[in-house]
Order: sequence, then structure tokens, then C-alpha cells
Amino acid sequence: AQSVTQPDIHITVSEGASLELRCNYSYGATPYLFWYVQSPGQGLQLLLKYFSGDTLVQGIKGFEAEFKRSQSSFNLRKPSVHWSDAAEYFCAVGGLAGGATNKLIFGTGTLLAVQP
Amino acid sequence: DVKVTQSSRYLVKRTGEKVFLECVQDMDHENMFWYRQDPGLGLRLIYFSYDVKMKEKGDIPEGYSVSREKKERFSLILESASTNQTSMYLCASSLSAGLYGYTFGSGTRLTVV
Repeated sequence: AQSVTQPDIHITVSEGASLELRCNYSYGATPYLFWYVQSPGQGLQLLLKYFSGDTLVQGIKGFEAEFKRSQSSFNLRKPSVHWSDAAEYFCAVGGLAGGATNKLIFGTGTLLAVQP
Repeated sequence: DVKVTQSSRYLVKRTGEKVFLECVQDMDHENMFWYRQDPGLGLRLIYFSYDVKMKEKGDIPEGYSVSREKKERFSLILESASTNQTSMYLCASSLSAGLYGYTFGSGTRLTVV
């Protein structure tokens, strides 16, 4: 079955500390992977995406993610967290199927709190 | 940039009312989606549409219907609103979900009293 698992429901880090949010996926075809961020009361904004090629992808706001096929993972990282990074983060997977199957599968999200 | 506009940010409706949530996108995307988001449950797909007048049920279609008469507009209808439909509703559109991901609207916070 196709699925995305974000094992950490809630994470708290100190401002300036490094961050890693975990994402594991199960997908029967070549996966296309995404990370989204949602600030309180807002819609979701795309942070970065992976299609193919270099397994380390850079995104907006200083985030990066690494695709590891052998571990079915796509973890999100940031070297130094800012207070404005407090938000909920969603990992998603999709493929190239068209028509009625053309949709993303989302994880349940990780809520990030940043301590001063 | 693609814009997805949801007609209301906040909405309060009474139990039993028929409720319409409107979503409009401006980039000629074939695919449009309605999700609801509840704490601890993540995003759950209600309905999606991959072409005009085409619709598919998602994971939680009960109590909802949709309409897509024009490519740019995808409406979610709560036939008879109930308190358990109090939620954040998110609309999204996509040219190809796998290649490009989704563009989301800002969401509608619906409260049914």
C-alpha cells in the first residue's frame, strides 16, 4: 500500500539548533517527493521537491532534504532554526500516473516548536 | 505563480444548512482537490476532480458533494451541515501532482453550530 509516515508528531528545538524531520514512504513506482510547510491558519506552501538526479535537494527558507532510496526516506533538514520556522511540516509522495490516480499521499505532519 | 483562491477564510453555519465552499484557480490546471484538516489526523482527501465534470471520491466523501462545471472552479457542498464537519477545509490544484505537486489555497475555517 502507498503511504507516508512521519514518526514525530511534535518536535521542539532551540533557536539556532539544527533540525531534522523524518519522513518514510512506501510507494510502488518511482516516487516523487515533496515537503510542505503550513503556518498557523494558513494553507500549505511547497518547501522543496525531489524528482530524480542529485539526492540532496535545496529548498526555500534554507531547508534541504535528502532522498535515500535504500531507506525509503526523505528527511528534511535545516542547519540553524529560526523562530519563524515554527509551523507544521508535511511530507508527501506522488507519481506520474495520470487521470484519477494523479494525487499526492500526505503524511500526518510534524508540528515544530522553536524555543528562544 | 499559480493562485488558488478560497472564497472565505472563516465561515459559521448552523446545523442543517446547505453550505458551499468555493475554490478558484487561475492557471488552467486539470486537477483540483478538497481536503479537510483536523488536529492529529493530518489532511484527509474528500473529493478530487481531474477534468471538468469529472469527480472521484476521496477517503472521506460521506456528507459532501462537489461540482466542477468550469475548469477553474471546484465547489465543495455540505448538503446538510453537521457539527462534526467543523474543520479547516483546504483546496488545491495541480497540473500534474507527481511532477509539480499541489498549489494550495489559504483554507476555510468552517464552524458548524
